[in-house]
Amino acid sequence: RKEVEQDPGPFNVPEGATVAFNCTYSNSASQSFFWYRQDCRKEPKLLMSVYSSGNEDGRFTAQLNRASQYISLLIRDSKLSDSATYLCAVNEGNKLVFGAGTILRVKS
Amino acid sequence: EAGVVQSPRYKIIEKKQPVAFWCNPISGHNTLYWYLQNLGQGPELLIRYENEEAVDDSQLPKDRFSAERLKGVDSTLKIQPAELGDSAVYLCASSQGQGVYNEQFFGPGTRLTVL
Repeated sequence: RKEVEQDPGPFNVPEGATVAFNCTYSNSASQSFFWYRQDCRKEPKLLMSVYSSGNEDGRFTAQLNRASQYISLLIRDSKLSDSATYLCAVNEGNKLVFGAGTILRVKS
Repeated sequence: EAGVVQSPRYKIIEKKQPVAFWCNPISGHNTLYWYLQNLGQGPELLIRYENEEAVDDSQLPKDRFSAERLKGVDSTLKIQPAELGDSAVYLCASSQGQGVYNEQFFGPGTRLTVL
């Protein structure tokens, strides 16, 4: 089993839709988690940090479920500009372990 | 505030040639990371520096890869000799500290093509 797993997608959603991605992790001792957004041929950009049960920033909500060892990212009212790859990262001893990413395509 | 700076942005070389990548982290960030990202995959850590000390190089292929951060600020990653399988994006990241609250910020990367 990979340390960090994500559904690769793609998730194809219409503008205005709500979409959610999950990310599962194997190390139960992990204490911090991050969602990054990566556009095609660009670097990953930090979207949200999750240290406790969850975090919310505008249309984006991240939730942590320690019992089931997954974090989720919810995007409400999707915009065309949200189309990107969303990478989940788990902090393991000062090292970020990334999933392979989930592709989101928002269409008009 | 300036972000992480990397150069070159693109590099095309023939196999068996040497190549070097340079990174300047965000000012004040003591921790510097080099990652490798293959197409369709997430970044994978190669080496982590705390100031000038390499504290985690367990994933660095030491037969051909080397890195340095002599003055604890900018860093260089070198491959000698390059192989076809080294074609990837090499990302540099930095963070202010370490531990649980360790937000890392990435540079634009160097896209390496080995022919």
